[in-house]
Amino acid sequence: DSGVTQTPKHLITATGQRVTLRCSPRSGDLSVYWYQQSLDQGLQFLIQYYNGEERAKGNILERFSAQQFPDLHSELNLSSLELGDSALYFCASSVARGRFEKLFFGSGTQLSVL
Amino acid sequence: GENVEQHPSTLSVQEGDSAVIKCTYSDSASNYFPWYKQELGKRPQLIIDIRSNVGEKKDQRIAVTLNKTAKHFSLHITETQPEDSAVYFCAASKTGNQFYFGTGTSLTVIP
Repeated sequence: DSGVTQTPKHLITATGQRVTLRCSPRSGDLSVYWYQQSLDQGLQFLIQYYNGEERAKGNILERFSAQQFPDLHSELNLSSLELGDSALYFCASSVARGRFEKLFFGSGTQLSVL
Repeated sequence: GENVEQHPSTLSVQEGDSAVIKCTYSDSASNYFPWYKQELGKRPQLIIDIRSNVGEKKDQRIAVTLNKTAKHFSLHITETQPEDSAVYFCAASKTGNQFYFGTGTSLTVIP
C-alpha cells in the first residue's frame, strides 16, 4: 500500500457526462500529480499541484480540470466525456521538498465511458 | 516539453536470461531518471532511479546505466525470474517534479 488513496476504483458513465475523481496523498506529501493511462499510450502527464497551487500542466484537455484543497486532497474533474476518455487515471504524490522526487501512485480509477 | 522514447514495447526472455530496456530523452536539462514497474492490475512502483551525476547504479539483480552525452539510459535485469514479468516504465525529469514517462515495455519471463 503506497498510502495514496483514490476513489472510486471504477466509474462507468455515458458520453456527455461529468465525473469527479478524488485523490488523497500520502501523509506529509505536498504535491499531487494526475496521469492518464490508455492501453497504447503509457502514462500521460495531465497536471501537478503543489500545496494547493497548480505547478505544472501537461497534456490536459480543456474539458478536464483539477484542484488541490487546503487539506491537500485533489480532485480531477472530467466533463463532456467522450468515448476516448475511457482510461485508467492515476494520482501520485511526492514530498516535493527536493529535486529528486519519488512518486507514489494510487491504485487508480478505471473510467469507462459508454 | 520533454519527449521520452522507450524500446522495445514488448520483450520475452527465458527464465535466468538477462533483459535490457532502453530509453532516450530529448531535453538535455533532464537530470533524474527513475524506473517504475507495474504488475498486472496494480499501480506503478519505483524500482530504481539514477541521477545525472552518476553513470551506473545497481540494486541486486537490477541496474541502470545513463549516457548523458547520447541522452539515453537503460534498465538491465539479470537472472530474470517469473515475478519480473510486468510493464516497466522509464521516466525523465529536469526539475524533480515534472515526470515524463516512456510508453512502457511489457516484459514476459518464460519459466
